Amino acid sequence: DSGVTQTPKHLITATGQRVTLRCSPRSGDLSVYWYQQSLDQGLQFLIQYYNGEERAKGNILERFSAQQFPDLHSELNLSSLELGDSALYFCASSVDEQGSNTDTQYFGPGTRLTVL
Amino acid sequence: AQKVTRAQTEISVVEKEDVTLDCVYETRDTTYYLFWYKQPPSGELVFLIRRNSFDEQNEISGRYSWNFQKSTSSFNFTITASQVVDSAVYFCALSTYGQNFVFGPGTRLSVLP
Repeated sequence: DSGVTQTPKHLITATGQRVTLRCSPRSGDLSVYWYQQSLDQGLQFLIQYYNGEERAKGNILERFSAQQFPDLHSELNLSSLELGDSALYFCASSVDEQGSNTDTQYFGPGTRLTVL
Repeated sequence: AQKVTRAQTEISVVEKEDVTLDCVYETRDTTYYLFWYKQPPSGELVFLIRRNSFDEQNEISGRYSWNFQKSTSSFNFTITASQVVDSAVYFCALSTYGQNFVFGPGTRLSVLP
């Protein structure tokens, strides 16, 4: 158990809908990262938050957005869903005290999103 | 540009064989960190090791060992006496100061009984 929690574990929805994925980082971790892993694909970095502020953006679509709240939990919002958005979405957290992005990232169990 | 590649897409071995997963990376930074993660069939990503670029000592942890060679930009991972529970996708990753993690494409290891 990494200490990172994600809910829900599974989500099935229809095209055009909007969903919210939730992540609670390990206690004391300031950075939260979101990744997308499509079937048989590698890990695509989406976005990072550090202590409530957006720190870095990767290959995140405009239909997707995220935020990190004062208690450091984070939510990833996916809207106008398409079939191609079906994937495993991971959240990771790290201490990242220095803001260097080199600390170990600990991953949550993931949310499997299926868009029908 | 930072990059992580692997030599093998898939490897299949029989239980008790030793197996090495290759990781080759590319960076212009002199300070960087390398990681290995395991993703078993259940899907979660499990952290295995973090190594900084100034520490070239090989590391052993039980049946796992890592061989870091700066001269060839490689950070290879060996499993000794493999077991069925080692079947997973293994990812190598690279991080440098202020940059996002770069994950390699992953190597799928199948250990057959």
